[in-house]
Amino acid sequence: QSALTQPPSASGSPGQSVTISCTGTSSDIGGFNYVSWYQQHPGKAPKLVIYEVTQRPSGVPDRFSGSKSGYTASLTVSGLRADDEADYYCLSFAGRNIYVFGTGTRVTVL
Amino acid sequence: QVQLVQSGAEVKRPGASVKVSCKTSGYTFVSHHMHWVRQAPGQRLEWMGIINPSDDTTTIAQRLRDRVTMTRDTSANTFYMELSSLRPDDTAVYYCTRDGGVYGDCEYWGQGTLVTVSS
Repeated sequence: QSALTQPPSASGSPGQSVTISCTGTSSDIGGFNYVSWYQQHPGKAPKLVIYEVTQRPSGVPDRFSGSKSGYTASLTVSGLRADDEADYYCLSFAGRNIYVFGTGTRVTVL
Repeated sequence: QVQLVQSGAEVKRPGASVKVSCKTSGYTFVSHHMHWVRQAPGQRLEWMGIINPSDDTTTIAQRLRDRVTMTRDTSANTFYMELSSLRPDDTAVYYCTRDGGVYGDCEYWGQGTLVTVSS
């Protein structure tokens, strides 16, 4: 199972929006509505920000939103804040109890 | 509250094995699958596998299948991940993370265990 493809970097100014893509295949993203997104600050464990493509866990602000079209899932962070600067990873279910992470995207707040 | 507490850092020689533990509390142990994820220094997250604690079944990522064993001890509410035939490129932080039940909604993570493989 190959890693899902994410852009290495994305950036935006405070208050702006940034959208990160995550591209897979018919065997993972295209085949299931089970994509989750994780935020990771340096030296910390990842934090779940979106699950089941569009769902937000309790406590995650509605500035974080998810979507999917075909083989590509996307995470949008609106109203960028300094503490949104982090690495973001997608994770997709790929059937038969297999999962695959994306390559990761570093978000920089300018 | 849900807690996942992992064992401490390890330093191993190439060819050795390492066993990382993940002690859980604050929820019904057999009700949630547990994933193991690793991250080499400066690299991306890598999904290693998953264990169903209710029946002890596991699914391991294909590239690790011949070297990884995942187990659980229901009496101790603890999960274990053993990696054998260690190589320098196995140097990484290893995490356990609890699946919430919706295929990858991993809200709770252990603190991570650094495994260093060096001669």
